[in-house]
Amino acid sequence: GEDVEQSLFLSVREGDSSVINCTYTDSSSTYLYWYKQEPGAGLQLLTYIFSNMDMKQDQRLTVLLNKKDKHLSLRIADTQTGDSAIYFCAESKDTGNQFYFGTGTSLTVIP
Amino acid sequence: GAVVSQHPSWVICKSGTSVKIECRSLDFQATTMFWYRQFPKQSLMLMATSNEGSKATYEQGVEKDKFLINHASLTLSTLTVTSAHPEDSSFYICSARDGGRFTSEQYFGPGTRLTVT
Repeated sequence: GEDVEQSLFLSVREGDSSVINCTYTDSSSTYLYWYKQEPGAGLQLLTYIFSNMDMKQDQRLTVLLNKKDKHLSLRIADTQTGDSAIYFCAESKDTGNQFYFGTGTSLTVIP
Repeated sequence: GAVVSQHPSWVICKSGTSVKIECRSLDFQATTMFWYRQFPKQSLMLMATSNEGSKATYEQGVEKDKFLINHASLTLSTLTVTSAHPEDSSFYICSARDGGRFTSEQYFGPGTRLTVT
């Protein structure tokens, strides 16, 4: 199956920028997503990007896609304590409906 | 916006019993629903894909006789964990795809935490 990898942990100070990285193996992925999961809760879609895009910005969130290296990143500007959560990247194909999730990155924001 | 609910939000059952988890799309018709399970501090693993009115498609390694999925209507899918054992304890999350939209976006339910004693 598809492999989607993320680093497991990230700690940043409040007010700094956070960068969460994700690599995937399936070059036919069409949609790439970032989800946030708070403790004991379901997943909240933060943003997504089509594979023909290099960058997408949405308020404090910036997504960068390097399709050649199959690398996706999520930058959170001015990180707040409320951003502490687990962040999952996910990918899906154009014709299929299955999502393949990364291993998740636990972001801790230090006040 | 699109809302997906799950019921119950948490359940404790005895080993050997069966548990049914419901997943509902509240304000859209979900032609396709997905069931995931998540072990503590791990990622979500797709268990099965269900399309309304047809049999579910299970991922490799998922026992279809143990995890019964029924998608009888466009707004409801159920997952029944039969003869549950402690190793079935997990966080089960469903998602639904809005049949009226052209994106791949899935809307996730809040999850059901199952503990088998």
